[in-house]
Amino acid sequence: EVQLVESGGSFVQPGGSLRLSCVASGFSFSSYEMNWVRQAPGKGLDWVSLITSGSTKYYADSVKGRFTISRDNGKNSLYLQMNSLRAEDTALYYCARDHDGGVFDIWGQGIMVTVSS
Amino acid sequence: QLVLTQPPSASASLGASVKLTCTLSSGHSSYAIAWHQQRPEQGPRKLMRVNSDGSHRKGDGIPDRFSGSSSGADRYLTISSLQSEDEGDYYCQTWGTGIRVFGGGTRLTVL
Repeated sequence: EVQLVESGGSFVQPGGSLRLSCVASGFSFSSYEMNWVRQAPGKGLDWVSLITSGSTKYYADSVKGRFTISRDNGKNSLYLQMNSLRAEDTALYYCARDHDGGVFDIWGQGIMVTVSS
Repeated sequence: QLVLTQPPSASASLGASVKLTCTLSSGHSSYAIAWHQQRPEQGPRKLMRVNSDGSHRKGDGIPDRFSGSSSGADRYLTISSLQSEDEGDYYCQTWGTGIRVFGGGTRLTVL
């Protein structure tokens, strides 16, 4: 079964750091571009970051310089290191597989990150 | 700037049809998009890809009631024979080199 499972969400104070993980199974992880997408409570979907199969990295302006995406193909894992967290980073974070040029075709179940004092 | 615009809400009666719209920003009318469904308290699910020529390719297990089409900068998702399980949020999504973009979403209410 093709699956993405996120972990690492938590409650953290403003200015803090957190590392999210996403483990992939059921497909050749190294061949795919992967993304992080977030959804603030009651809001829409918001693209966060993309990493290509060759590990080129892209970020939304709202997280550039604070978040770092990475991957470990040997562990079929995708990561998001989040530093200098702000209240507006509070959201459900999804990892999503990129397919067919840019279509998000497989989604994880999401992991909650809460930034609050 | 690559932007997708969706009306915030739509409604239709049980058993009827509804057509949701997603509009690409100026200069991007040739772009393909994808439609995603998000039922209440669930994660998103890919429905289909819709190309500028109106052709579409659905994800595995997506019922025939769902179809896609295009006209100019507009991309459409039509749902026929509406069922209560179709209620939820529908997002369009597109892409370019190093960028992924979502529309604001349309909340569909089945009356």
